[in-house]
Amino acid sequence: DAKTTQPPSMDCAEGRAANLPCNHSTISGNEYVYWYRQIHSQGPQYIIHGLKNNETNEMASLIITEDRKSSTLILPHATLRDTAVYYCIVSVTNTGNQFYFGTGTSLTVIP
Amino acid sequence: DAGVIQSPRHEVTEMGQEVTLRCKPISGHNSLFWYRQTMMRGLELLIYFNNNVPIDDSGMPEDRFSAKMPNASFSTLKIQPSEPRDSAVYFCASILTPQGWLYSNQPQHFGDGTRLSIL
Repeated sequence: DAKTTQPPSMDCAEGRAANLPCNHSTISGNEYVYWYRQIHSQGPQYIIHGLKNNETNEMASLIITEDRKSSTLILPHATLRDTAVYYCIVSVTNTGNQFYFGTGTSLTVIP
Repeated sequence: DAGVIQSPRHEVTEMGQEVTLRCKPISGHNSLFWYRQTMMRGLELLIYFNNNVPIDDSGMPEDRFSAKMPNASFSTLKIQPSEPRDSAVYFCASILTPQGWLYSNQPQHFGDGTRLSIL
């Protein structure tokens, strides 16, 4: 399985861009990178995913390095409601769609 | 559209009792996952079904845990007998996997979870 490494916590000023890094140096060629977030003990909420190209949706942007060994989730204008734990996940494809969640990054948006 | 629906939202029971957690996946989704979340271990995958068949149950902690998916719209996770260390939040997730494939690049959609407390 590809494993991911994320900083345990980060702060970001409200209105500024939040850049959350993730290392996945053992990722395989057909494995996607997914980002989820979890607010309090609600269910994890899907944010964005990608294979090798940068992706953008209404919530965030995902930047994947050319060697695919790391990625960055960008929240362009962080709000207080973006305070959550953010998980970077690399899918396991050999036997199915199992997601293995790490410890994530606890993002605190500061007023 | 209705998302993944889990019930009950909260369950408090005494140790030794049987506990049944329920999940209704998103209509049309054919893969279903059960996860458990605790402070100590984070989010752990317990079992994964594809087309109602268990594909990977290596995360099920012990024989006291069992999961079934009798049809495409319903799954249960049962603990018998329950113990205080089973206290956790249990999540269910679903995705649509192309027929004949075990893999899809689509994201999993999670329910709001069941908060289980065993006294």
